[in-house]
Amino acid sequence: DARVTQTPRHKVTEMGQEVTMRCQPILGHNTVFWYRQTMMQGLELLAYFRNRAPLDDSGMPKDRFSAEMPDATLATLKIQPSEPRDSAVYFCASGLVLYGGTDTQYFGPGTRLTVL
Amino acid sequence: AQSVTQLDSHVSVSEGTPVLLRCNYSSSYSPSLFWYVQHPNKGLQLLLKYTSAATLVKGINGFEAEFKKSETSFHLTKPSAHMSDAAEYFCVVSDGDDKIIFGKGTRLHILP
Repeated sequence: DARVTQTPRHKVTEMGQEVTMRCQPILGHNTVFWYRQTMMQGLELLAYFRNRAPLDDSGMPKDRFSAEMPDATLATLKIQPSEPRDSAVYFCASGLVLYGGTDTQYFGPGTRLTVL
Repeated sequence: AQSVTQLDSHVSVSEGTPVLLRCNYSSSYSPSLFWYVQHPNKGLQLLLKYTSAATLVKGINGFEAEFKKSETSFHLTKPSAHMSDAAEYFCVVSDGDDKIIFGKGTRLHILP
């Protein structure tokens, strides 16, 4: 049963520290998404990649957030420096898109980030 | 520009009664439409999707949705609610340009 995995599942850090979240997409999927979910804002798309290339990162605060795919099996989301307002659950999702458009996204369990 | 509106932020139904979660969309193209469910402290899971085939789409756990182009709606229904259906439900629209828009979510409460 293939699943998207995310590490860590929980992270508590202090303001100003660097945070790195990792995601392993389902093997064979070519599209990876990063979302942030808070009570106030709901679910927000931060960035997504197709075949490891960034397609859209307009939802991401550029000054402190960065997203990369070093290889097809790993996506990372980094926050430096972190701020209390970054506290949220961060979800990674992967999917397979062959001919354009969008198909089913498979979500990971999320990383719950608390910045003190 | 595309958008999606979930008309109710909270819906409460009694166990065994029908469920209706409403979703309206706007899209310049023939959209793909999805419903996802999120149980507490879990990631999102696909319930069903519409991608220009049959307008009545059947999903998991007895849910179904009907695509109505004239009404620009994609409402989610289930004939009989179960306690395990208590969760948050998201309507999603996507067009051919890879733009993906999530609705704000509807929290479904099941009363015993």
